[in-house]
Amino acid sequence: NAGVTQTPKFQVLKTGQSMTLQCAQDMNHEYMSWYRQDPGMGLRLIHYSVGAGITDQGEVPNGYNVSRSTTEDFPLRLLSAAPSQTSVYFCASGLSGPDTQYFGPGTRLTVL
Amino acid sequence: AQTVTQSQPEMSVQEAETVTLSCTYDTSESDYYLFWYKQPPSRQMILVIRQEAYKQQNATENRFSVNFQKAAKSFSLKISDSQLGDAAMYFCAYYERGQNFVFGPGTRLSVLP
Repeated sequence: NAGVTQTPKFQVLKTGQSMTLQCAQDMNHEYMSWYRQDPGMGLRLIHYSVGAGITDQGEVPNGYNVSRSTTEDFPLRLLSAAPSQTSVYFCASGLSGPDTQYFGPGTRLTVL
Repeated sequence: AQTVTQSQPEMSVQEAETVTLSCTYDTSESDYYLFWYKQPPSRQMILVIRQEAYKQQNATENRFSVNFQKAAKSFSLKISDSQLGDAAMYFCAYYERGQNFVFGPGTRLSVLP
């Protein structure tokens, strides 16, 4: 099993550009989530999904969209990037919830 | 919303010694989960230990153990026989069903040879 994979590992955007961060898992987990990590603040939940076709907002959802068309994939979209979205983004998945979640390696995003 | 506090931004320990990292949380619930995650310089988030609030017995994983004080809302991590590979950021986290997963701000642990 590859576990949780994220692409790309690094990305630089200009303000106003759009992009999609990819996340995939091969463990047949129902639960998937996205977090952002900023210095001195730990990880904060952006969006999560409890199964295909179901998504919900976390603590900091503004500026981000998600969809869950398959069990395996959970992409995170930035429609119009802003410097405040410069951060490290982590995807995670769990069998039925976040109480047993595994994390991907992260994506470092810089918005100029 | 629940909050998780880690009052020690940085800690250091001599190799082979024992260190305790502190974590407190705020909740009015009785059924929840607590976690300690390790984040080494590689950036990977690694689950160290997990505690279910209804279990009175403190969780242990090899050299890692917790002191779970439910009434005091305290969840400290003890690392015994510290090794150089233990150097990392350590995050305490809280989860209850139906609510967001919440992380503390982290404690940076240095291990001195």
